Amino acid sequence: NADVTQTPKFQVLKTGQSMTLQCAQDMNHEYMSWYRQDPGMGLRLIHYSVGAGITDQGEVPNGYNVSRSTTEDFPLRLLSAAPSQTSVYFCASRPVLGQGTDTQYFGPGTRLTVL
Amino acid sequence: ELKVEQNPLFLSMQEGKNYTIYCNYSTTSDRLYWYRQDPGKSLESLFVLLSNGAVKQEGRLMASLDTKARLSTLHITAAVHDLSATYFCAGAQGGSEKLVFGKGTKLTVNP
Repeated sequence: NADVTQTPKFQVLKTGQSMTLQCAQDMNHEYMSWYRQDPGMGLRLIHYSVGAGITDQGEVPNGYNVSRSTTEDFPLRLLSAAPSQTSVYFCASRPVLGQGTDTQYFGPGTRLTVL
Repeated sequence: ELKVEQNPLFLSMQEGKNYTIYCNYSTTSDRLYWYRQDPGKSLESLFVLLSNGAVKQEGRLMASLDTKARLSTLHITAAVHDLSATYFCAGAQGGSEKLVFGKGTKLTVNP
């Protein structure tokens, strides 16, 4: 079955700590992205990638880094966690435009709390 | 820069009634997505609308796209309790891979 996996499901950090949220997909999708969801704000794009070695910033990139060394994996790194980064993080993937159904598949999410 | 606005943000309706959720966007968008999210869960893709006049239906939900009016609608027919969820629309500015989401419409269907 087509799947986007995220780990961990839950995480509590202290201010200033760093961590990496993992995302993997098994559908050979070129496009992958990270969103954060905050109450009343919808989803906001953090970073995205259109293929291995290619990443770009979204709407709210500050405080986050990404890299894409393989098609399957797209980790999100928090460099120095801040309480403002408390949120639910979703990873998503889909084929690039014109090469598939354009359906975007979301992972189950990581609920992050920064104290 | 593309902005996406949904209304209403909250919708309480009775079973059996019809209603429409509206999704307006500010600049050209070459595709429009609708998603459903249940509390504490991830997003589930409902529809992808790729061209002006596109209409898609699945069960009691029907989505349409009018690119000239920069408007997409999600119509609910004869609502049932199982449709209670938050519904999001998202657009992508012409040629861009970036999706911009609306703030969501929380739908509650009461018996």
